[in-house]
Amino acid sequence: AQSVTQLGSHVSVSEGALVLLRCNYSSSVPPYLFWYVQYPNQGLQLLLKYTSAATLVKGINGFEAEFKKSETSFHLTKPSAHMSDAAEYFCAVGRPGGAQKLVFGQGTRLTINP
Amino acid sequence: DAGVIQSPRHEVTEMGQEVTLRCKPISGHDYLFWYRQTMMRGLELLIYFNNNVPIDDSGMPEDRFSAKMPNASFSTLKIQPSEPRDSAVYFCASTQGVANTGELFFGEGSRLTVL
Repeated sequence: AQSVTQLGSHVSVSEGALVLLRCNYSSSVPPYLFWYVQYPNQGLQLLLKYTSAATLVKGINGFEAEFKKSETSFHLTKPSAHMSDAAEYFCAVGRPGGAQKLVFGQGTRLTINP
Repeated sequence: DAGVIQSPRHEVTEMGQEVTLRCKPISGHDYLFWYRQTMMRGLELLIYFNNNVPIDDSGMPEDRFSAKMPNASFSTLKIQPSEPRDSAVYFCASTQGVANTGELFFGEGSRLTVL
């Protein structure tokens, strides 16, 4: 079985500050890991993904995440927050071997303060 | 290519009425997923199809919910009869199975309100 825990349902940072959204996973097989972003009244869109290649993954809009097997973590970071980053972020875990149903975390709402 | 298209975007109905949500996946995608999003339960997988065949419907809440995929370009999620607790945003997502890395492409969702 696979599961994802996102630490903090709400995170608030100042514009220009570091963004850190935490995700820990549980998986009985080597996982594929994803971060999705959801803007208001829109569907989810992929930010970045880890599929067993480089452990540091770069995504769109300046976001990156690092896969740490020893810590079972896949935290999302961005060096400098922008107002347009305000959204809900979802971590998800899947498995290799074709399209499988992803297991999503509960989401973290990111607020950017001017 | 157009993304995943869902209709209607918003639906308000009264308890007991039938609701039909529609989805057109991205052309060439052979997997289609229906998710439900609520504040309390987050994002839940209801059912998914591969090549128009339902593979896993273990997330479907109860017999009031049914989903079909008559062809590769169309799927429906039906609720009959609807209840207020069915109020949620329903998302359809699709993906291509061959050499797939699990990335899903989501539609913009159908927001359902049952009064």
